[in-house]
Parts: sequence; C-alpha cells; structure tokens
Amino acid sequence: ELKVEQNPLFLSMQEGKNYTIYCNYSTTSDRLYWYRQDPGKSLESLFVLLSNGAVKQEGRLMASLDTKARLSTLHITAAVHDLSATYFCAVDNNNDMRFGAGTRLTVKP
Amino acid sequence: NAGVTQTPKFRILKIGQSMTLQCTQDMNHNYMYWYRQDPGMGLKLIYYSVGAGITDKGEVPNGYNVSRSTTEDFPLRLELAAPSQTSVYFCASSYPGEEGNTIYFGEGSWLTVV
Repeated sequence: ELKVEQNPLFLSMQEGKNYTIYCNYSTTSDRLYWYRQDPGKSLESLFVLLSNGAVKQEGRLMASLDTKARLSTLHITAAVHDLSATYFCAVDNNNDMRFGAGTRLTVKP
Repeated sequence: NAGVTQTPKFRILKIGQSMTLQCTQDMNHNYMYWYRQDPGMGLKLIYYSVGAGITDKGEVPNGYNVSRSTTEDFPLRLELAAPSQTSVYFCASSYPGEEGNTIYFGEGSWLTVV
C-alpha cells in the first residue's frame, strides 16, 4: 500500500530562519506535488515536480525531488509570518493521488 | 472562473440520515475526486473518477457512494450517516497531461453527524 510520510508534522520557527520539510513515499512514482492550506480554507497548488532531480522555486520556498530516494523536500528560506500554513505533499499513484499528513508551520516574529 | 463548486458548505446530519454532497466543475477536467479531511489530519481519498461513467474506490470508500453521469458533476452520497463521517469533504478535479496532474480543490463542505 502506498504510504506518504511527512516530517515534521508541526514546525514552529522564528522569522528569518531556514528549515526543511521532508516527504517520503513508498511507490516508484516520479510525480510529486506540494500544496498549501490556510486555516479553514481549501488547498492551493504550490509546486509540481515531474522528474528525478526536479527543482522548483517560488519566493522563499524551494521544492526538490529525488525519485531514487523516494524523497521530496520543501525548503524555507528566511521565513516570514505569511508562510504560516499547513503544507502537504502528494504523490501521483496512477490516478490515485495520495497526500501526506501535512506539516503545520508557524512562523513567529 | 467558478472552478470547482461544492454544496452545501455546512450541514448537520443526524445519525442514520442520508445526504448528497454536490460537486460540479466548469474546467472540462476529466478527473474528479472526493477527499475527506479530519481535524488536524491529511486528506484521505474516498472515490475518484477518470471520466464520465467511470468511478473507482480510494482509501476510505466505506459508507459512501458516487456517480459520474456527466463530465461536470460528481456527487457524493452518504448513506446511513455515522459520527465517524464527521469531517470536511473536498471535491477536486484535474486534467492529467505533460505538465503533471495538478488538482484543483473546491472550498470544502463541513459535515457534522450527531
């Protein structure tokens, strides 16, 4: 059975600091997605990673994919309060999109 | 653009009642999904559909039914509601292609079973 594991599940960090969220998965998929969810809201797409070694960056967030290690990372650079949200990774398993449990990020001033 | 629209947004059900969550999308996406999200948790796939007339079970299909008579609509039926079905339900759609399979979500339906 496909498993998608994120860690940490909770992350509290100071503004200006860097940190990385990890997403491990158990299938051979080479398609991985990152989403953001604000409290009480729906999910919005952040990154689409479609091959081994793929790297995407948007502002202070950078996502990468290592399909051989079955690992994706979401790196946060110089965090700001606006990044506070829950971040989910999702793995495309032949039309069956499976999500991780989410990482709840809180950025403190 | 309406995107993915689901109704109702909030609903309280009594144990044993039935109801249908409606979902429609105007993006001509062939793939549609229903997820549930329990408080503080990730999303669990209930059912998905790769096109009109085709549906498949996800991780947690028990207690639910779906149909896909048109490309646009993908209703989720709860039969004999139970407290364990208290959750937030998200309908979503996508169009897999060379650029991947980004999923577009509706705003969510908050369901409480008492």
